[in-house]
Amino acid sequence: RKEVEQDPGPFNVPEGATVAFNCTYSNSASQSFFWYRQDCRKEPKLLMSVYSSGNEDGRFTAQLNRASQYISLLIRDSKLSDSATYLCVVNKNQAGTALIFGKGTTLSVSS
Amino acid sequence: DAGITQSPRHKVTETGTPVTLRCHQTENHRYMYWYRQDPGHGLRLIHYSYGVKDTDKGEVSDGYSVSRSKTEDFLLTLESATSSQTSVYFCAISESVVAGETQYFGPGTRLLVL
Repeated sequence: RKEVEQDPGPFNVPEGATVAFNCTYSNSASQSFFWYRQDCRKEPKLLMSVYSSGNEDGRFTAQLNRASQYISLLIRDSKLSDSATYLCVVNKNQAGTALIFGKGTTLSVSS
Repeated sequence: DAGITQSPRHKVTETGTPVTLRCHQTENHRYMYWYRQDPGHGLRLIHYSYGVKDTDKGEVSDGYSVSRSKTEDFLLTLESATSSQTSVYFCAISESVVAGETQYFGPGTRLLVL
């Protein structure tokens, strides 16, 4: 299994749709999990951290399943401005210096 | 936004020439990183620093060296650029490396090696 694997997409959805992204990771010792967002030709920006209990930030919900080594991101009521690439990020070891980035899932929201 | 700048933002150079990229932060964060991003690959760590004069290799360090003489500056040097080093280079910073600590990225440098 690749260290961090994501469906590359693209996901093409209309405004208002709900879309879910999935990510799997291979290192069962990983302790830190994040979703970053990257706009075209821009730097990655932290969207949200992912906690074991699951967490929500407005229209965004992240879930972590440690047993299955699986992370998800749900976006409700999609906006045009949500169009971007979403990167799943996991730490490789206890030292946070080694973050492993997935290749990203591309989302395109259309009107 | 975190205070991170990178220079130059764009550079075209020729194979065999040395190139130095600069990352400057105003956050006084201890940890600094250099990544490269290429199509078909996720971001890959080149080198990182855990303090002034303290650096270590990342996943793809061959052909690169780094230096950190001040907390705020982290330099990435390509001693003799090759076409395979054409990429987008991102600098990142973090305050610590405890579990859950995030990294914040600079705007990137687009490097083309002809």
